[in-house]
Amino acid sequence: GQNIDQPTEMTATEGAIVQINCTYQTSGFNGLFWYQQHAGEAPTFLSYNVLDGLEEKGRFSSFLSRSKGYSYLLLKELQMKDSASYLCAVRGSYIPTFGRGTSLIVHP
Amino acid sequence: DVKVTQSSRYLVKRTGEKVFLECVQDMDHENMFWYRQDPGLGLRLIYFSYDVKMKEKGDIPEGYSVSREKKERFSLILESASTNQTSMYLCASFGTEQGSYEQYFGPGTRLTVT
Repeated sequence: GQNIDQPTEMTATEGAIVQINCTYQTSGFNGLFWYQQHAGEAPTFLSYNVLDGLEEKGRFSSFLSRSKGYSYLLLKELQMKDSASYLCAVRGSYIPTFGRGTSLIVHP
Repeated sequence: DVKVTQSSRYLVKRTGEKVFLECVQDMDHENMFWYRQDPGLGLRLIYFSYDVKMKEKGDIPEGYSVSREKKERFSLILESASTNQTSMYLCASFGTEQGSYEQYFGPGTRLTVT
């Protein structure tokens, strides 16, 4: 089976840095996705990690440790528009399985 | 820049009606998925397809069927809609682009069954 855990909700201040963690237990591993989803909209692809380490894309970075079953999404220089749900999804064998998402609230 | 489209953004149907949700992708991806998303439950996989005419059940296939006659099109069918199928339905396609894996979602269909 697959088990993916993320915090339900986080709050942060505009301009700050926030780290959203994701831990997983899966039978097999073929990659981990991060998505952003604004209320009422479809998820938007942010990153895909297959190998250990940090990948940076502008203000967003994603880290993976396969041995620890752990990933995080790092958001820098937070903006109000970053208020959204952030979904972690793991490809155990073939199909991405999603966590329940972390609702991030950015306040002034 | 259209990648994945869905036939309707909002749909209202009556209990017992047959409902068709259409999804089209323009990225030549082999893999396509149908999810439903409900508050507190996250995204749950209904069916997926890894090739034309091929389909596999996901986590919650009961009450649904799918059709994939062409590579770019994946349809979800509710044979007899029920109120517990009121939900947001999301189609996605998955494949490689310039050597890296990506999964793109359509805009979603919010279905209400009355």
